[in-house]
Amino acid sequence: ETGVTQTPRHLVMGMTNKKSLKCEQHLGHNAMYWYKQSAKKPLELMFVYSLEERVENNSVPSRFSPECPNSSHLFLHLHTLQPEDSALYLCASSQTTRWGGETQYFGPGTRLLVL
Amino acid sequence: QKEVEQDPGPLSVPEGAIVSLNCTYSNSAFQYFMWYRQYSRKGPELLMYTYSSGNKEDGRFTAQVDKSSKYISLFIRDSQPSDSATYLCAMSTGGMNRDDKIIFGKGTRLHILP
Repeated sequence: ETGVTQTPRHLVMGMTNKKSLKCEQHLGHNAMYWYKQSAKKPLELMFVYSLEERVENNSVPSRFSPECPNSSHLFLHLHTLQPEDSALYLCASSQTTRWGGETQYFGPGTRLLVL
Repeated sequence: QKEVEQDPGPLSVPEGAIVSLNCTYSNSAFQYFMWYRQYSRKGPELLMYTYSSGNKEDGRFTAQVDKSSKYISLFIRDSQPSDSATYLCAMSTGGMNRDDKIIFGKGTRLHILP
Protein backbone atom coordinates (compact mmCIF):
# COMPACT_ATOMS: atom_id res chain seq x y z
CA GLU A 1 0.00 0.00 0.00
CA THR A 2 1.38 3.39 -0.94
CA GLY A 3 0.46 7.01 -0.25
CA VAL A 4 -2.28 7.92 2.17
CA THR A 5 -5.12 5.50 2.87
CA GLN A 6 -8.37 6.11 4.70
CA THR A 7 -11.01 3.76 6.07
CA PRO A 8 -13.88 3.47 5.84
CA ARG A 9 -14.55 5.12 2.50
CA HIS A 10 -18.22 5.59 3.33
CA LEU A 11 -19.97 5.86 6.69
CA VAL A 12 -23.57 6.36 7.68
CA MET A 13 -24.25 7.00 11.35
CA GLY A 14 -26.99 8.16 13.62
CA MET A 15 -26.62 11.15 15.88
CA THR A 16 -26.16 8.95 18.95
CA ASN A 17 -23.53 6.65 17.45
CA LYS A 18 -19.80 6.60 18.11
CA LYS A 19 -17.50 5.82 15.20
CA SER A 20 -13.88 6.35 14.23
CA LEU A 21 -12.18 7.30 10.99
CA LYS A 22 -8.73 5.92 10.32
CA CYS A 23 -5.89 7.32 8.25
CA GLU A 24 -2.52 5.76 7.50
CA GLN A 25 0.36 7.28 5.57
CA HIS A 26 3.13 5.20 4.01
CA LEU A 27 5.33 8.14 3.00
CA GLY A 28 7.51 8.54 6.07
CA HIS A 29 6.06 11.98 6.77
CA ASN A 30 6.08 13.72 10.12
CA ALA A 31 2.89 15.80 9.86
CA MET A 32 -0.70 14.67 9.41
CA TYR A 33 -3.89 16.65 8.97
CA TRP A 34 -7.66 16.26 9.09
CA TYR A 35 -9.73 18.40 6.73
CA LYS A 36 -13.49 18.71 6.25
CA GLN A 37 -14.80 19.24 2.73
CA SER A 38 -18.42 20.33 2.39
CA ALA A 39 -20.28 21.13 -0.80
CA LYS A 40 -19.65 24.65 -2.08
CA LYS A 41 -17.22 25.43 0.75
CA PRO A 42 -13.43 25.59 0.85
CA LEU A 43 -11.47 22.83 2.53
CA GLU A 44 -11.57 23.45 6.28
CA LEU A 45 -8.53 22.49 8.33
CA MET A 46 -9.60 20.71 11.50
CA PHE A 47 -6.50 19.29 13.18
CA VAL A 48 -2.77 19.14 12.60
CA TYR A 49 -0.29 16.77 14.20
CA SER A 50 3.46 17.13 13.95
CA LEU A 51 5.58 14.28 15.27
CA GLU A 52 2.48 12.97 17.05
CA GLU A 53 1.90 16.24 18.88
CA ARG A 54 -1.20 18.27 18.11
CA VAL A 55 -0.14 21.70 16.88
CA GLU A 56 -3.43 23.02 15.61
CA ASN A 57 -7.00 22.73 16.72
CA ASN A 58 -9.01 24.94 14.49
CA SER A 59 -11.96 25.65 16.81
CA VAL A 60 -13.48 22.27 16.07
CA PRO A 61 -16.43 21.10 18.21
CA SER A 62 -15.55 18.61 20.92
CA ARG A 63 -17.73 15.93 19.26
CA PHE A 64 -14.69 15.46 17.00
CA SER A 65 -11.73 13.98 18.85
CA PRO A 66 -8.43 13.28 17.08
CA GLU A 67 -5.81 10.74 18.06
CA CYS A 68 -2.32 10.27 16.67
CA PRO A 69 -0.65 7.20 18.22
CA ASN A 70 2.40 7.41 15.93
CA SER A 71 3.58 9.39 12.94
CA SER A 72 1.97 6.98 10.47
CA HIS A 73 -1.53 6.74 11.91
CA LEU A 74 -4.24 9.28 12.60
CA PHE A 75 -7.74 8.73 13.89
CA LEU A 76 -10.80 10.93 14.13
CA HIS A 77 -13.25 9.77 16.78
CA LEU A 78 -16.83 10.86 16.24
CA HIS A 79 -19.65 10.99 18.80
CA THR A 80 -23.08 12.62 18.95
CA LEU A 81 -22.64 14.23 15.56
CA GLN A 82 -25.14 16.54 13.92
CA PRO A 83 -26.57 16.27 10.37
CA GLU A 84 -24.55 19.36 9.38
CA ASP A 85 -21.40 17.32 10.07
CA SER A 86 -22.14 15.27 6.94
CA ALA A 87 -19.20 15.88 4.60
CA LEU A 88 -16.10 14.37 3.05
CA TYR A 89 -13.36 14.03 5.67
CA LEU A 90 -9.90 14.11 4.17
CA CYS A 91 -6.64 13.08 5.74
CA ALA A 92 -3.36 14.49 4.46
CA SER A 93 0.30 14.24 5.32
CA SER A 94 3.45 16.24 4.63
CA GLN A 95 7.11 16.01 5.51
CA THR A 96 6.88 18.82 8.08
CA THR A 97 4.31 21.36 9.17
CA ARG A 98 5.85 24.17 7.25
CA TRP A 99 2.67 25.23 5.53
CA GLY A 100 4.10 26.64 2.37
CA GLY A 101 6.83 24.86 0.51
CA GLU A 102 5.39 21.57 1.62
CA THR A 103 3.37 19.31 -0.59
CA GLN A 104 0.43 17.83 1.24
CA TYR A 105 -0.61 14.38 0.08
CA PHE A 106 -4.28 13.60 0.51
CA GLY A 107 -6.10 10.35 1.07
CA PRO A 108 -9.29 9.48 -0.83
CA GLY A 109 -11.49 10.66 2.01
CA THR A 110 -14.34 9.21 4.06
CA ARG A 111 -17.81 10.23 2.90
CA LEU A 112 -19.80 10.68 6.11
CA LEU A 113 -23.57 10.93 6.32
CA VAL A 114 -25.17 11.72 9.69
CA LEU A 115 -28.84 10.88 9.93
CA GLN B 1 -13.65 40.00 2.15
CA LYS B 2 -12.84 36.29 1.84
CA GLU B 3 -9.19 35.39 1.74
CA VAL B 4 -9.43 33.38 -1.47
CA GLU B 5 -12.11 33.69 -4.13
CA GLN B 6 -12.67 31.04 -6.78
CA ASP B 7 -15.60 30.68 -9.16
CA PRO B 8 -17.19 27.26 -8.46
CA GLY B 9 -18.39 26.81 -12.06
CA PRO B 10 -19.22 24.41 -13.57
CA LEU B 11 -17.10 25.33 -16.55
CA SER B 12 -17.76 23.32 -19.72
CA VAL B 13 -15.40 23.53 -22.68
CA PRO B 14 -14.96 21.41 -25.83
CA GLU B 15 -12.08 18.97 -26.09
CA GLY B 16 -8.92 20.58 -27.38
CA ALA B 17 -9.77 24.06 -26.09
CA ILE B 18 -7.55 26.11 -23.79
CA VAL B 19 -8.93 26.26 -20.27
CA SER B 20 -8.32 29.18 -17.93
CA LEU B 21 -8.98 28.79 -14.21
CA ASN B 22 -8.48 31.67 -11.81
CA CYS B 23 -8.37 32.70 -8.17
CA THR B 24 -8.07 36.05 -6.47
CA TYR B 25 -6.84 36.63 -2.96
CA SER B 26 -6.59 39.41 -0.41
CA ASN B 27 -3.57 38.54 1.76
CA SER B 28 -0.49 40.15 0.25
CA ALA B 29 1.71 37.96 2.47
CA PHE B 30 0.91 34.82 0.47
CA GLN B 31 4.02 33.57 -1.27
CA TYR B 32 3.30 29.93 -2.11
CA PHE B 33 0.62 29.15 -4.63
CA MET B 34 -0.70 25.73 -5.50
CA TRP B 35 -3.24 24.09 -7.76
CA TYR B 36 -4.81 20.80 -6.76
CA ARG B 37 -6.90 18.54 -8.97
CA GLN B 38 -9.65 16.46 -7.41
CA TYR B 39 -11.42 13.74 -9.32
CA SER B 40 -14.82 12.55 -8.19
CA ARG B 41 -14.60 10.29 -5.11
CA LYS B 42 -10.88 11.00 -4.72
CA GLY B 43 -8.76 13.28 -2.57
CA PRO B 44 -7.02 16.34 -4.01
CA GLU B 45 -3.65 15.80 -5.69
CA LEU B 46 -1.06 18.51 -6.16
CA LEU B 47 -0.87 19.59 -9.78
CA MET B 48 1.25 22.74 -9.80
CA TYR B 49 3.26 24.60 -7.19
CA THR B 50 4.70 28.11 -7.59
CA TYR B 51 6.70 30.36 -5.34
CA SER B 52 6.14 34.13 -5.60
CA SER B 53 5.34 35.70 -8.98
CA GLY B 54 5.89 34.38 -12.45
CA ASN B 55 4.99 31.45 -14.64
CA LYS B 56 5.59 27.75 -14.33
CA GLU B 57 4.97 25.24 -17.07
CA ASP B 58 4.56 21.47 -16.80
CA GLY B 59 3.42 19.72 -19.95
CA ARG B 60 -0.01 21.02 -20.90
CA PHE B 61 -0.36 22.97 -17.66
CA THR B 62 0.87 26.51 -16.96
CA ALA B 63 0.49 28.29 -13.63
CA GLN B 64 0.72 32.07 -13.47
CA VAL B 65 1.00 34.28 -10.41
CA ASP B 66 0.51 38.04 -10.48
CA LYS B 67 1.17 39.25 -6.95
CA SER B 68 0.60 42.89 -7.86
CA SER B 69 -2.98 42.05 -8.84
CA LYS B 70 -3.36 39.26 -6.25
CA TYR B 71 -4.46 36.96 -9.05
CA ILE B 72 -3.40 33.44 -9.98
CA SER B 73 -4.28 31.37 -13.03
CA LEU B 74 -4.00 27.81 -14.28
CA PHE B 75 -4.05 27.24 -18.03
CA ILE B 76 -4.67 23.84 -19.57
CA ARG B 77 -3.75 23.48 -23.24
CA ASP B 78 -5.23 20.86 -25.56
CA SER B 79 -7.79 19.93 -22.92
CA GLN B 80 -8.81 16.29 -22.68
CA PRO B 81 -11.90 14.60 -21.22
CA SER B 82 -9.58 13.16 -18.56
CA ASP B 83 -8.99 16.73 -17.34
CA SER B 84 -12.60 16.83 -16.13
CA ALA B 85 -12.30 17.34 -12.38
CA THR B 86 -12.54 19.98 -9.69
CA TYR B 87 -9.53 22.29 -9.51
CA LEU B 88 -8.71 23.91 -6.19
CA CYS B 89 -6.34 26.80 -5.77
CA ALA B 90 -4.44 27.05 -2.51
CA MET B 91 -1.95 29.46 -1.05
CA SER B 92 0.07 30.16 2.06
CA THR B 93 2.61 32.53 3.56
CA GLY B 94 5.16 29.74 3.95
CA GLY B 95 5.81 30.11 7.64
CA MET B 96 5.61 27.53 10.39
CA ASN B 97 3.15 29.32 12.67
CA ARG B 98 -0.52 28.51 13.11
CA ASP B 99 -1.52 31.60 11.12
CA ASP B 100 0.51 30.36 8.17
CA LYS B 101 -1.77 27.47 7.23
CA ILE B 102 -2.74 26.79 3.65
CA ILE B 103 -5.94 28.51 2.53
CA PHE B 104 -7.97 26.76 -0.17
CA GLY B 105 -10.43 28.12 -2.70
CA LYS B 106 -13.83 26.46 -3.08
CA GLY B 107 -12.77 24.75 -6.29
CA THR B 108 -13.92 25.06 -9.90
CA ARG B 109 -15.70 22.11 -11.50
CA LEU B 110 -14.42 21.61 -15.03
CA HIS B 111 -16.10 19.50 -17.72
CA ILE B 112 -14.28 18.77 -20.98
CA LEU B 113 -16.82 17.80 -23.61
CA PRO B 114 -15.69 15.11 -26.10
